[in-house]
Amino acid sequence: AQSVTQLDSHVSVSEGTPVLLRCNYSSSYSPSLFWYVQHPNKGLQLLLKYTSAATLVKGINGFEAEFKKSETSFHLTKPSAHMSDAAEYFCVVRGDSNYQLIWGAGTKLIIKP
Amino acid sequence: NAGVTQTPKFRILKIGQSMTLQCTQDMNHNYMYWYRQDPGMGLKLIYYSVGAGITDKGEVPNGYNVSRSTTEDFPLRLELAAPSQTSVYFCASRRGSSTDTQYFGPGTRLTVL
Repeated sequence: AQSVTQLDSHVSVSEGTPVLLRCNYSSSYSPSLFWYVQHPNKGLQLLLKYTSAATLVKGINGFEAEFKKSETSFHLTKPSAHMSDAAEYFCVVRGDSNYQLIWGAGTKLIIKP
Repeated sequence: NAGVTQTPKFRILKIGQSMTLQCTQDMNHNYMYWYRQDPGMGLKLIYYSVGAGITDKGEVPNGYNVSRSTTEDFPLRLELAAPSQTSVYFCASRRGSSTDTQYFGPGTRLTVL
């Protein structure tokens, strides 16, 4: 069965410094992986997705993620944090069925001025 | 396109009351979903639909019912509200393939007292 673990419930960085949000997955076959962002009191928006093409995936707002099969990881990074990046980020893996997405518990990103 | 719309935005129910959460999408998507999000948790799938007239249970269907009479609409019914159903509810839609982007509505914050 597929599963996903977000290793940090909260990450705090200063504005202008790099961001790293960690995600490990478990999958019995080649996974499809996603990162979604949820700004306070808003809905969810897709940041980026990996679907077995290039292992380095670029998303919106300067975010990118690298699929590492050997480490079963799909960490989300951004070179320089902006105040507007403060939000909750969810790592998601496609489940066994076509309809199913398995969601991580989320990582809250806090940006210090 | 309005995307995915949900009504109401907020609702307070008394134990035992009933209500329907409305969801409409204007993207002609086949797949529609209802999730709930509890504090500090990822999303849990309640019900999903692969097309008009076809619905199925997700991970946490107890206490809920759905119908899908049209492609656009996917209402979620709570028959006998319980405090355990206090949550934020998100509707989402997807065109078809499991790697297609899911588009989310803004959510309904429900409190059962």
